Amino acid sequence: AQSVTQLGSHVSVSEGALVLLRCNYSSSVPPYLFWYVQYPNQGLQLLLKYTTGATLVKGINGFEAEFKKSETSFHLTKPSAHMSDAAEYFCAVSDYNQGGKLIFGQGTELSVKP
Amino acid sequence: DTGVSQDPRHKITKRGQNVTFRCDPISEHNRLYWYRQTLGQGPEFLTYFQNEAQLEKSRLLSDRFSAERPKGSFSTLEIQRTEQGDSAMYLCASSLDDSLLPDTQYFGPGTRLTVL
Repeated sequence: AQSVTQLGSHVSVSEGALVLLRCNYSSSVPPYLFWYVQYPNQGLQLLLKYTTGATLVKGINGFEAEFKKSETSFHLTKPSAHMSDAAEYFCAVSDYNQGGKLIFGQGTELSVKP
Repeated sequence: DTGVSQDPRHKITKRGQNVTFRCDPISEHNRLYWYRQTLGQGPEFLTYFQNEAQLEKSRLLSDRFSAERPKGSFSTLEIQRTEQGDSAMYLCASSLDDSLLPDTQYFGPGTRLTVL
């Protein structure tokens, strides 16, 4: 069975600082990995995804993530945090052998201090 | 393309009542998913449709839950005899699956259910 673990339910950074949100996955097949962002009382918006090919994936709003098979990780980074980045972030793996349903981690709430 | 829409956005009901939620996917998306999200948790898969066929249901989906997607367009999720434990955000997502790779799932704004 596939699973996702997000290390740290809450991360706080200062504006302009590096953002690093950690995600580790477990999968018996090559994984398809996603990061979504959720603002309060809203649905989820895709930040980026990894399917095949280049292991460094660039997404929207300056975020990027690197797929590391040896570490079973897909950490999300952004060089310089903005106040508008404050939100809940979810890492997910796609169970593509069974209809593509997404299996999510528990989420990491990012706070950005001025 | 107006995105995925859900109705209502909020629903407050009393324990024991029935509720129904609607999801309108992005037009021509053939897959539609329902997820449930409780406070402080990531979304959990409930069920999905390929066109009008319901292909998988999670064990989270008790007999009180039923979902339909007539004609392969909009979908409804009904909860009968609601319980306080049903209080959650119900998310709908749609995708266009026409390749070997999973397409992006686009999420609606969700329906927040509160059972008193």
